[in-house]
Amino acid sequence: NAGVTQTPKFQVLKTGQSMTLQCAQDMNHEYMSWYRQDPGMGLRLIHYSVGAGITDQGEVPNGYNVSRSTTEDFPLRLLSAAPSQTSVYFCASSRQGDFNSPLHFGNGTRLTVT
Amino acid sequence: AQSVTQLGSHVSVSEGALVLLRCNYSSSVPPYLFWYVQYPNQGLQLLLKYTSAATLVKGINGFEAEFKKSETSFHLTKPSAHMSDAAEYFCAVSLNTGNQFYFGTGTSLTVIP
Repeated sequence: NAGVTQTPKFQVLKTGQSMTLQCAQDMNHEYMSWYRQDPGMGLRLIHYSVGAGITDQGEVPNGYNVSRSTTEDFPLRLLSAAPSQTSVYFCASSRQGDFNSPLHFGNGTRLTVT
Repeated sequence: AQSVTQLGSHVSVSEGALVLLRCNYSSSVPPYLFWYVQYPNQGLQLLLKYTSAATLVKGINGFEAEFKKSETSFHLTKPSAHMSDAAEYFCAVSLNTGNQFYFGTGTSLTVIP
């Protein structure tokens, strides 16, 4: 059972470039989310989705786009990368509407924007 | 609004000593509380969760946490630290109306041999 899979593990971008961070889960979780982790700031929610075709903004959505065409996949797009987006990005999923369900995390994508 | 405060961004303990990591929350409704651990270059793993069944919650690797409503706290403890406990620990809160989790800023635990 793979759980939550993120690709790539590492990425270096130049300012203005675009890229997509991939996230896939095989647990049939309705809820999926993206966090960024920065030193001293913990994890901050970027975007989340409660099912295919439904997405919403989190705490820090600016500069990021998401879509959810299937239950399994939840890609995060950076349209024009900025140095402020240098961070570690985590995708996480859980069962929707079940407050007893914890988040399951991927191993992260370390992004550097120069 | 919900928030989670973790007191102490860095905690050092000697091997075999008590581990105490502090977490306080603010919530207008009864929260669901979680502790996660992050080992270097990995994602977060669930240590334990509180969901109102019992105030003292036992988790993996010998950790436990006690929910104290009067103090709005959910501190994490372990009686005897092991070298393998060195990691980053995050407290998180969620509401029963949705899946939005709010994380603390994390506490880095160092275990001194």
